[in-house]
Amino acid sequence: DAGVTQSPTHLIKTRGQQVTLRCSPKSGHDTVSWYQQALGQGPQFIFQYYEEEERQRGNFPDRFSGHQFPNYSSELNVNALLLGDSALYLCASSLNRNQGGYTFGSGTRLTVV
Amino acid sequence: SQQGEEDPQALSIQEGENATMNCSYKTSINNLQWYRQNSGRGLVHLILIRSNEREKHSGRLRVTLDTSKKSSSLLITASRAADTASYFCATDDTGRRALTFGSGTRLQVQP
Repeated sequence: DAGVTQSPTHLIKTRGQQVTLRCSPKSGHDTVSWYQQALGQGPQFIFQYYEEEERQRGNFPDRFSGHQFPNYSSELNVNALLLGDSALYLCASSLNRNQGGYTFGSGTRLTVV
Repeated sequence: SQQGEEDPQALSIQEGENATMNCSYKTSINNLQWYRQNSGRGLVHLILIRSNEREKHSGRLRVTLDTSKKSSSLLITASRAADTASYFCATDDTGRRALTFGSGTRLQVQP
């Protein structure tokens, strides 16, 4: 049973560019959440998708957007990249009706130069 | 924003010793979870304790929760070098479908 799969593993982008990160949830899970983790800090919640809609959003600008597909997989898009967007981006999947059961992927390390 | 603080920020112990980490939070919660992270990679779920529970055990892990003090502790007994990692507490806050993480404790277990 595959866990959460994220791609790519590492990515280097130039300031001002756009990036798309991808996440496949754990089998049986229907909800996907995205987190940003800066170096030396705890993860911070970006947003959560359920039934192909953004259900909850953290304190992030609208340069950060996402999408959930009918197969429950998800994308995180970041436009107009800033140096400060350099971080580890983590995807977590869960089952909507099961409070608290999150499975995290290994993350995508984004470096903006 | 971070939910609260973890204490200590860093901890270095010898193999076989116990490690205790503390976490404080600010809001009403459904549950509190502890995660381990190795070398800045993905988070591994360790244990979940619900707001109506006071103590929970899983193998060498013991978690306590005091909702009146809005605090939790994670005890790792008989530590091993493989326990070296960063440990994070995360709260599943009432009315909010998201985890709020603490700043983490970096644990170093010396062989």
